[in-house]
Amino acid sequence: GEDVEQSLFLSVREGDSSVINCTYTDSSSTYLYWYKQEPGAGLQLLTYIFSNMDMKQDQRLTVLLNKKDKHLSLRIADTQTGDSAIYFCAETRTGGFKTIFGAGTRLFVKA
Amino acid sequence: DVKVTQSSRYLVKRTGEKVFLECVQDMDHENMFWYRQDPGLGLRLIYFSYDVKMKEKGDIPEGYSVSREKKERFSLILESASTNQTSMYLCASSLPASLTSYNEQFFGPGTRLTVL
Repeated sequence: GEDVEQSLFLSVREGDSSVINCTYTDSSSTYLYWYKQEPGAGLQLLTYIFSNMDMKQDQRLTVLLNKKDKHLSLRIADTQTGDSAIYFCAETRTGGFKTIFGAGTRLFVKA
Repeated sequence: DVKVTQSSRYLVKRTGEKVFLECVQDMDHENMFWYRQDPGLGLRLIYFSYDVKMKEKGDIPEGYSVSREKKERFSLILESASTNQTSMYLCASSLPASLTSYNEQFFGPGTRLTVL
């Protein structure tokens, strides 16, 4: 199947780390992405990782990719209230036009 | 600054009406997409277009059609709106996937359509 799966909700306290998890099914996936959707807005690319990488770090964001288990995670360090949003995991496959999106994880940050 | 704009943020229509949702991008992108977003279901692809006058069905094309007469504009048409088409509609654009499998999509702010 084509499913990209992620949990629907995550709640953390301000200052803690958030970890959002995602599993995908197609081993031919080349790029995997994390998009962020703030309230009332469209999606915006947050970060991405190429399939031959295990980890990518960008300031407070760390992406981990386990190709064997087809598992992708996004860690947000020192989570702030401004990080409250829906986070979508997504993948594209070799030569594909389509990007497959997960259902999105809604992150709640408690002050 | 790259931009994808959608003609309306909120729209209320009646069952049976013909509905047009317009999307314009200023990045000279070849690819354009229409998605609908529903809670718990994420984004589902309705139609996409990889060139002017070209269109391909996505995962849920039933009840929808599209038009791409100009490169920058991609329209979604609901021929006869029904209540189950009440949803958030998102337009996106991207560079051609044939150049690289990297395929960042740029999204508009969305149109929240309510069909009564």
